[in-house]
Amino acid sequence: EPEVTQTPSHQVTQMGQEVILRCVPISNHLYFYWYRQILGQKVEFLVSFYNNEISEKSEIFDDQFSVERPDGSNFTLKIRSTKLEDSAMYFCASRKGLNSEAFFGKGTRLTVV
Amino acid sequence: QKEVEQNSGPLSVPEGAIASLNCTYSDRGSQSFFWYRQYSGKSPELIMSIYSNGDKEDGRFTAQLNKASQYVSLLIRDSQPSDSATYLCAVSRYSSASKIIFGSGTRLSIRP
Repeated sequence: EPEVTQTPSHQVTQMGQEVILRCVPISNHLYFYWYRQILGQKVEFLVSFYNNEISEKSEIFDDQFSVERPDGSNFTLKIRSTKLEDSAMYFCASRKGLNSEAFFGKGTRLTVV
Repeated sequence: QKEVEQNSGPLSVPEGAIASLNCTYSDRGSQSFFWYRQYSGKSPELIMSIYSNGDKEDGRFTAQLNKASQYVSLLIRDSQPSDSATYLCAVSRYSSASKIIFGSGTRLSIRP
């Protein structure tokens, strides 16, 4: 069964460093998302991406964040200068269309020290 | 007003009983509704989607949608200990943005 894959599963980085989180969405899906979940809190929307551009972004998704689809399969989230409060699980999701379900990857646990 | 509201629980249900989970949403333009299950430390796993008013059944799960009341529910019949998890209600619009907004989740505990 097709699935969304994310790498790495766990990343530890020093405050101020750049990190890139990688995702391979399901191959025939058109809409891509990044969410984050701080420990014990809700799943929060960060950004949606369609047709090679950002469709919508939340207040959390400030200038420190960027997304890219560098080729036909990968979808990346970059955090330019990590802060302690960026420590969270980051989930990538994809969906085929606007009236279909979104499927989530297993997530990347980001720890900023 | 929160966009998607759920009772945080925990909701404790005996094994074999029916678990009833509820959700309300604020955006009347919402058109797609989802229930996800999330085990501790894991990613959200889709259980059900529902798009029109009424009931939708899939095995032991039944989703119910009432757009006039802006209310979505999930019934789990014959609850099993493996159903113990956090259940997330999520909604989205048909729009170019199409973001899916999640509630905070209801923790469900099935006691043997």
